[in-house]
Amino acid sequence: AAGVIQSPRHLIKEKRETATLKCYPIPRHDTVYWYQQGPGQDPQFLISFYEKMQSDKGSIPDRFSAQQFSDYHSELNMSSLELGDSALYFCASSPNRREQFFGPGTRLTVL
Amino acid sequence: AQSVTQLGSHVSVSEGALVLLRCNYSSSVPPYLFWYVQYPNQGLQLLLKYTTGATLVKGINGFEAEFKKSETSFHLTKPSAHMSDAAEYFCAVSEDGFGNEKLTFGTGTRLTIIP
Repeated sequence: AAGVIQSPRHLIKEKRETATLKCYPIPRHDTVYWYQQGPGQDPQFLISFYEKMQSDKGSIPDRFSAQQFSDYHSELNMSSLELGDSALYFCASSPNRREQFFGPGTRLTVL
Repeated sequence: AQSVTQLGSHVSVSEGALVLLRCNYSSSVPPYLFWYVQYPNQGLQLLLKYTTGATLVKGINGFEAEFKKSETSFHLTKPSAHMSDAAEYFCAVSEDGFGNEKLTFGTGTRLTIIP
């Protein structure tokens, strides 16, 4: 069965650089969620999109922005990266906003 | 606002023994409840979920959980632990739709299996 695809799987950036994380949901899933999991932490909700519109917003820094495109894939853009942004970033998709299927995550390291 | 409390950040059980991971939730509306497992350096895999209906739900790998509204609990159990069960387990709660369906996770329980 098709799963959520995230790219890249690993990303290394310097402080103050920008990064773009991509998420490709399971086919026919119209909702995408982004979560951030710091080292030894539980995942924290960042933002979600339903039918290409932002549906909910969590603890997402102003330096981050995201969008969902017409093909339902989503991108998380991160600017002015800080050391504290080093984390595992998960994307999840849902066909019905009741059950979320997670991707393998993108591990971002900021040096 | 919804929240999840997982009692015990670390749980150790012997191989073949009962696994019990505790989860209590807080939600202002009927919740959806989930257990996810995370193996080292991997993503989150859904073990089981409760949305409506039967309060005892069965999941993958022999795990099950019971939704107890009166106790606001959703504890995860497995009758006989296997070495491959060693992982981090997260309980999560979601409220019912209308834009509030984001998952709120507990802080996780690391399960260690003793040979």
